[in-house]
Order: sequence, then C-alpha cells, then structure tokens
Amino acid sequence: DAGVTQSPTHLIKTRGQHVTLRCSPISGHKSVSWYQQVLGQGPQFIFQYYEKEERGRGNFPDRFSARQFPNYSSELNVNALLLGDSALYLCASSPARSPANTEAFFGQGTRLTVV
Amino acid sequence: EDKVVQSPLSLVVHEGDTVTLNCSYEVTNFRSLLWYKQEKKAPTFLFMLTSSGIEKKSGRLSSILDKKELFSILNITATQTGDSAIYLCAVERTGTASKLTFGTGTRLQVML
Repeated sequence: DAGVTQSPTHLIKTRGQHVTLRCSPISGHKSVSWYQQVLGQGPQFIFQYYEKEERGRGNFPDRFSARQFPNYSSELNVNALLLGDSALYLCASSPARSPANTEAFFGQGTRLTVV
Repeated sequence: EDKVVQSPLSLVVHEGDTVTLNCSYEVTNFRSLLWYKQEKKAPTFLFMLTSSGIEKKSGRLSSILDKKELFSILNITATQTGDSAIYLCAVERTGTASKLTFGTGTRLQVML
C-alpha cells in the first residue's frame, strides 16, 4: 500500500514568490492535515480538511491557503513567501476526522527553502 | 493556547542503556496524547494514550499517561543505535477540528 505521498520533496523559492505543495493521502483516508516544522521545533498545525471542507486552521496568516479535491488529495498554497516560511511542510492523513480513533500517518514532507 | 513541553531537549546514551523521555501538557478538553518518532522527515506513530495509568507497550518501548498530573513518559529499554531519533509528543483536544499540538521534541542519540 502506498503511504502518504508529498511533492515535491525539495523546493527553493525566492522571497515574494508563491508556492504550491501537494499531498496524496493513503487510499480510503478522507482527512488531510498540514503542518509546518521549522528546524529545531515540533510540527505546527496549519490546516485540516475533511471531506473536502476546512475543519480547522492554525495561527497562520492569510498568505497560507489550502484545498482538498474530490479524490481527497490536497494542495497547500503560500503566497508572498518570506524567509521565515523556510521549513519542512508535512502532510498527515487519517481515515477519521480525528486521530483519536486512529493514528495520523505522515508523509515525508516537502523541504521549502526561501532565499 | 495548548502547550506541550518535552524534556530533556537532548540526550546522549550508550547502547543498552534505558532512557525515560518526559512530556507535560496543558490543553483544554483533552482527548489524547500521542508519541511519534522522527528519524529524517516523516514522524512515525508510536503510541496513542487516552486513559490514565494504562501502560502501552511495543517491544522495548512503553508509555504511560497521568491525566491528573498532566504528563506522560516514554521509556526505551536496552537502547540500540537505531533508536537515535527525535521523539515528539503531541496532544489533541476534543472539538470540530483534529489538531495536534506538538512539543519541540527530545533528540536522542545512542552511541556504540
């Protein structure tokens, strides 16, 4: 079985540009969450989507947006990139809306570097 | 604001040692506490704890939750070099969204 897949694995962007990160959840999983992990810190929650609707949003500016498609894959968009957006972006999928029922499975992440 | 504090921040041990990693938390409407192991990129799931006093075990790893004192510990016995990783603790609250709040992690290095 394929796990959670994210693309691209690495990305270098210039300040002010925008970026789109992609995530395909495990087959049958309907919940996708996005996390930002800055070096030396734990992952920080950005968004959760379940059944194509936004169910939760973390403390991130409006430059961050996301959506979930009918096949449950998801995109994270970041506009007007800042140096501080450099981080590992992780996608997690789970079958239920909450990991309380089952653990969330993480992808390998996209390493974004803003120069 | 939910808060998770892990200690120690880093730890260096020798193979065969036993280690205890700590996680304390503050969260409104607690639902669960989860432990993850992060070696390179993807955190991999270790344990989910919802009830106090019930130890969960998987091989050389075990974990327990104390909901009264708001902490959890992760024990690793007979450590191996393959246990070298960052161990992340996260909590989830009840609510409409499924949001994990993570600690900064404990970096464990196991030396030969």
